Amino acid sequence: QVTLKESGPVLVKPTETLTLTCTVSGFSLSNARMGVSWIRQPPGKALEWLAHIFSNDEKSYSTSLKSRLTISKDTSKSQVVLTMTNMDPVDTATYYCARTLPGKGQGYYYYMDVWGKGTTVTVSS
Amino acid sequence: QSVLTQPPSASGTPGQRVTISCSGSSSNIGSNTVNWYQQLPGTAPKLLIYSNNQRPSGVPDRFSGSKSGTSASLAISGLQSEDEADYYCAAWDDSLNGGVFGGGTKLTVL
Repeated sequence: QVTLKESGPVLVKPTETLTLTCTVSGFSLSNARMGVSWIRQPPGKALEWLAHIFSNDEKSYSTSLKSRLTISKDTSKSQVVLTMTNMDPVDTATYYCARTLPGKGQGYYYYMDVWGKGTTVTVSS
Repeated sequence: QSVLTQPPSASGTPGQRVTISCSGSSSNIGSNTVNWYQQLPGTAPKLLIYSNNQRPSGVPDRFSGSKSGTSASLAISGLQSEDEADYYCAAWDDSLNGGVFGGGTKLTVL
């Protein structure tokens, strides 16, 4: 059974750095063409894609947040870590990680098939 | 403002067929595949449709997806009360070199 679990602080102060960990089970982060994505959702708002990392260590970041994000993985620990610097109250959201798999079709055909339950982060002094 | 445009709301009565549209551009839907996610209240999103029109195992065949040009649609037939949820389309955007979501459509079953 594939599961993903997000963990990290519930509360961070403005200007601090947020570190979130996604611990996966039921699959390996070294599986070919498999990856993990991070997505967030502010209260009452839409989903926002943040970043992904694949088994070959290929990484991509949201253009608007690229300067603040770093994604990495530790295959031996089955963990993917996302750090976000200079946190602001507008970054208050539920943060999800999701397994990312290749589908089929033209162009970019990856999709997020299994999601974690999410972890809620509040940014406040 | 989301890169992909969805109607904020949709509604239907039990048994009806409802469609939700997702409009994009040549750099996202026009070039790449579209995925749909269902988010029930207070829960994490769940994959509903991938690669434009593929259903993961366990998703009822009442749900179907299609894509034409720079737009995509999700159709739900035989609407049921448990379909009341938020629905999001998603795709990769070549210009942004990142994933993009629609703003979400809140489906109400009357």
